[in-house]
Amino acid sequence: AQTVTQSQPEMSVQEAETVTLSCTYDTSESDYYLFWYKQPPSRQMILVIRQEAYKQQNATENRFSVNFQKAAKSFSLKISDSQLGDAAMYFCAQFFQGAQKLVFGQGTRLTINP
Amino acid sequence: GAGVSQSPSNKVTEKGKDVELRCDPISGHTALYWYRQSLGQGLEFLIYFQGNSAPDKSGLPSDRFSAERTGGSVSTLTIQRTQQEDSAVYLCASSRWTGSGYTFGSGTRLTVV
Repeated sequence: AQTVTQSQPEMSVQEAETVTLSCTYDTSESDYYLFWYKQPPSRQMILVIRQEAYKQQNATENRFSVNFQKAAKSFSLKISDSQLGDAAMYFCAQFFQGAQKLVFGQGTRLTINP
Repeated sequence: GAGVSQSPSNKVTEKGKDVELRCDPISGHTALYWYRQSLGQGLEFLIYFQGNSAPDKSGLPSDRFSAERTGGSVSTLTIQRTQQEDSAVYLCASSRWTGSGYTFGSGTRLTVV
């Protein structure tokens, strides 16, 4: 089965604090790619961070980092020093090599409280 | 162009009419994808092009939906005899290679009345 699960439909955090968004996936492939995308109200999907499954090191992009646990098939996103502009829907996605397509989770709506 | 361009940005159509949605990918991106996003939902895969061929049409919800890509560039998604359940945002994305992640367009919001 090609499924990506985000168990938190909504999250909120105080500005300047840290928040973690959860994601799990199901795959039998050994080599794959994982992504987090951000979708603000403008509806433009923006790539936040990318992880290659064969790499042990967790990816980091400025205030965004992931905790990739391959054995547990878990891929969470940590946002540090949250800013008002981080408010958006966040989608976790896995690229399946066999099917050659990205499969997305249902999304987590993140609210930043000033 | 610099990004993925989709047109129109918004489309309102009457039930039963045909609509065409256009996607102009980033130059040099050989892979092109169409997704559908219903209100408050995740992204539903529709179809994938590699060059001009469509190896995977498995996500097209019915035979009213079709898509083509010409010259390895512009793609058109056509919905015939539109129904109210077709109302959604249709997103197009392109990528240079499979692991690079997609670049998305801003989508077409389709409303069937």
